[in-house]
Amino acid sequence: NAGVMQNPRHLVRRRGQEARLRCSPMKGHSHVYWYRQLPEEGLKFMVYLQKENIIDESGMPKERFSAEFPKEGPSILRIQQVVRGDSAAYFCASSPPVQGGLETQYFGPGTRLLVL
Amino acid sequence: GQQLNQSPQSMFIQEGEDVSMNCTSSSIFNTWLWYKQDPGEGPVLLIALYKAGELTSNGRLTAQFGITRKDSFLNISASIPSDVGIYFCAPAYNQGGKLIFGQGTELSVKP
Repeated sequence: NAGVMQNPRHLVRRRGQEARLRCSPMKGHSHVYWYRQLPEEGLKFMVYLQKENIIDESGMPKERFSAEFPKEGPSILRIQQVVRGDSAAYFCASSPPVQGGLETQYFGPGTRLLVL
Repeated sequence: GQQLNQSPQSMFIQEGEDVSMNCTSSSIFNTWLWYKQDPGEGPVLLIALYKAGELTSNGRLTAQFGITRKDSFLNISASIPSDVGIYFCAPAYNQGGKLIFGQGTELSVKP
């Protein structure tokens, strides 16, 4: 049973370019979360999605960042016009539908974004 | 806003020693999770706590959900070199909600 998959694992972009990060949740999981981790820090929540719906985007910057989780295919985190401050590790987590208890979140290996 | 403090920030111990780390918050949480992160990898779930006062073990790891719901601790007994890594507490308010991560405790184990 494959875990959460993210690609690419490493991404280098120049300032002003676009970055697209992909996340394929675990089989049977319909909830996806994106987190960002700066060096020497803990993970910070960005957005929570279910299929075709954004549930909570309170941690996502209002400009340049967007996320989607279409009916078919992976979840995409898109960063337009990247700046050096966007350099970080971006982690995706997935969880199964709620069944009377907390859905445990399982994390992917992350995408390390470097903006030159 | 809520404050989440994890301590200690780092620990250097001898193989075989026991380890204890904790997280405290100004807010009440409904769930406490503990994760371990190795360099270049994503966090891996160690223990999940769902009820105030709950004490749960996973091998050499033991964690407790504080009775006030504002804190949690993680103990590792008889540490081994592969315990090296960064440990994070990650409480949540709601079922299916976002996780709030602590600052992490970096553990180093000397053989």
